[in-house]
Amino acid sequence: AQSVTQLGSHVSVSEGALVLLRCNYSSSVPPYLFWYVQYPNQGLQLLLKYTTGATLVKGINGFEAEFKKSETSFHLTKPSAHMSDAAEYFCAVGGGFKTIFGAGTRLFVKA
Amino acid sequence: DTGVSQDPRHKITKRGQNVTFRCDPISEHNRLYWYRQTLGQGPEFLTYFQNEAQLEKSRLLSDRFSAERPKGSFSTLEIQRTEQGDSAMYLCASSPPGQEQETQYFGPGTRLLVL
Repeated sequence: AQSVTQLGSHVSVSEGALVLLRCNYSSSVPPYLFWYVQYPNQGLQLLLKYTTGATLVKGINGFEAEFKKSETSFHLTKPSAHMSDAAEYFCAVGGGFKTIFGAGTRLFVKA
Repeated sequence: DTGVSQDPRHKITKRGQNVTFRCDPISEHNRLYWYRQTLGQGPEFLTYFQNEAQLEKSRLLSDRFSAERPKGSFSTLEIQRTEQGDSAMYLCASSPPGQEQETQYFGPGTRLLVL
């Protein structure tokens, strides 16, 4: 069985500050891990994904995430927040055809 | 390539009515997924098609729900005898043939409100 826990339903940062969104997963098989972003009234857009290989994954819009097997974590970071980053972020774990999503973290960016 | 499209974008219905949603995946994507998303939650898997074959259904998909993909292209999701608890965003996603975990491309969703 697979599951995802996103720590913090809301995160607030100032523009220009570091963004850190936390995700821990559980998987009985080597996981595929994803981060998606969702803007209001829109579908989900893939930010980045980890399948195999390099554990530091770079995505779109300056985001990156690091797969840490020992910590079962896949935290999302961005060095400098922009107002346009304000959205809902979902961590997900996949294996086979099924993808399990976390409950999401809403990111607020203050001017 | 116009992306995954869903129709309608919004639906308001009265309890007990039937509703049908349509999803048009990206052309040449043979895999299609339906998810349900309620407020404050992530998408929950409902069902999965590979071409026209429905390979998996979640326990969330009660007998009132049925999904089809008759020609392996567009898909429909029907909810019979809607209940207020069915109010949610219904998301469709598609992915291309290939490895097990190809990226899923999501549509904008259909927001259902059952009064």
